[in-house]
Amino acid sequence: DGGITQSPKYLFRKEGQNVTLSCEQNLNHDAMYWYRQDPGQGLRLIYYSQIVNDFQKGDIAEGYSVSREKKESFPLTVTSAQKNPTAFYLCASSPSSTGRNLGYTFGSGTRLTVV
Amino acid sequence: AQTVTQSQPEMSVQEAETVTLSCTYDTSESDYYLFWYKQPPSRQMILVIRQEAYKQQNATENRFSVNFQKAAKSFSLKISDSQLGDAAMYFCAYRSDPPDSWGKLQFGAGTQVVVTP
Repeated sequence: DGGITQSPKYLFRKEGQNVTLSCEQNLNHDAMYWYRQDPGQGLRLIYYSQIVNDFQKGDIAEGYSVSREKKESFPLTVTSAQKNPTAFYLCASSPSSTGRNLGYTFGSGTRLTVV
Repeated sequence: AQTVTQSQPEMSVQEAETVTLSCTYDTSESDYYLFWYKQPPSRQMILVIRQEAYKQQNATENRFSVNFQKAAKSFSLKISDSQLGDAAMYFCAYRSDPPDSWGKLQFGAGTQVVVTP
């Protein structure tokens, strides 16, 4: 079955470390997105990508970086510059950001905790 | 930028009863899409229902229906015959009509639905 796989499910980071969250999809979707979820704040957009080798900053990109070397993969790196990284991270994809009437398919998320 | 407001942090409903979740949004665009997503305790986001702004007819999916009032910029979700499995966080989301938006979804803060037996 097609879907989005996020790994790991739980991740612990020490102060000053960079960590990378994986997101892989086999839906042949063009567009991919990373969201951060904090209690009471809904989902906020970190980065998004419409095609391979191209991506754009979202509303809260500071302290994060991404790459899109393959259509199927959109990893997110949480750098040491992100001062409050403890959160739930969701990856999503859609067939095309320029298509009509398109919702997202979401992964199951990664819970990142700073220890 | 568009904003999405869900003014009800939590709503409680008894099994078999009906509950309505409110959502308002702010936009200057005429063409866009609106969505309701459900996030159960597993935290998996599930699309419940969607509405195209150019359609006047309200969307319906089984026990879920919306009341879309374009002029009022309101998009409420009605859950009929509530079931224990409906207990979840519900998010309202807005998406501009491409190509300028890059397909980005703007989410509200969410409404927690509690279903009591």
